[in-house]
Amino acid sequence: DGGITQSPKYLFRKEGQNVTLSCEQNLNHDAMYWYRQDPGQGLRLIYYSQIVNDFQKGDIAEGYSVSREKKESFPLTVTSAQKNPTAFYLCASRGRVRGTDTQYFGPGTRLTVL
Amino acid sequence: SQQGEEDPQALSIQEGENATMNCSYKTSINNLQWYRQNSGRGLVHLILIRSNEREKHSGRLRVTLDTSKKSSSLLITASRAADTASYFCATGVRLYSGAGSYQLTFGKGTKLSVIP
Repeated sequence: DGGITQSPKYLFRKEGQNVTLSCEQNLNHDAMYWYRQDPGQGLRLIYYSQIVNDFQKGDIAEGYSVSREKKESFPLTVTSAQKNPTAFYLCASRGRVRGTDTQYFGPGTRLTVL
Repeated sequence: SQQGEEDPQALSIQEGENATMNCSYKTSINNLQWYRQNSGRGLVHLILIRSNEREKHSGRLRVTLDTSKKSSSLLITASRAADTASYFCATGVRLYSGAGSYQLTFGKGTKLSVIP
């Protein structure tokens, strides 16, 4: 899991509530990413940030929001507008391995909407 | 938009046997990466192969890439029970020309079970 931490590990939310997932990295990486994983599925990109104070929508950004005020932190807010938020959320940051970029993943947060 | 598609979806082998997983994709890529995920955990990067490379090795892992067929394979030799996990391929495409960064698109994964 490298130097990326996500909290909490498990999160329960009532319908209609916003909830924020934390992602912190101490790898000094510029770029960070949020993915969503559903059972038996691959990862889908929600948002990514190449640098502080900048972020871009991924493939499934609707119902989510992010901020990137610090290099180390890239929190994801799941809003009440997200119709089916129950999923496993993974955060990643990008660094270099033998001269080529690759992504390092955190341990994930499992969000359940009650 | 999921580009990589792994095959098979699930694979069960005996300890000591080799495991081969395949990945097919649809558009041009800059690189292809393989990741491993233990149940309920984050992904761990295994190996990366660039579009101008045909084969790479890392320990018991061997990856091939055939850009003409738009396919890749991951071979795990002499499998161990600890190799039991899901394996994902991810295609990397540059976000824009000259960029040092690219976007990864993940497949749905192959679930490998190694029986002791």
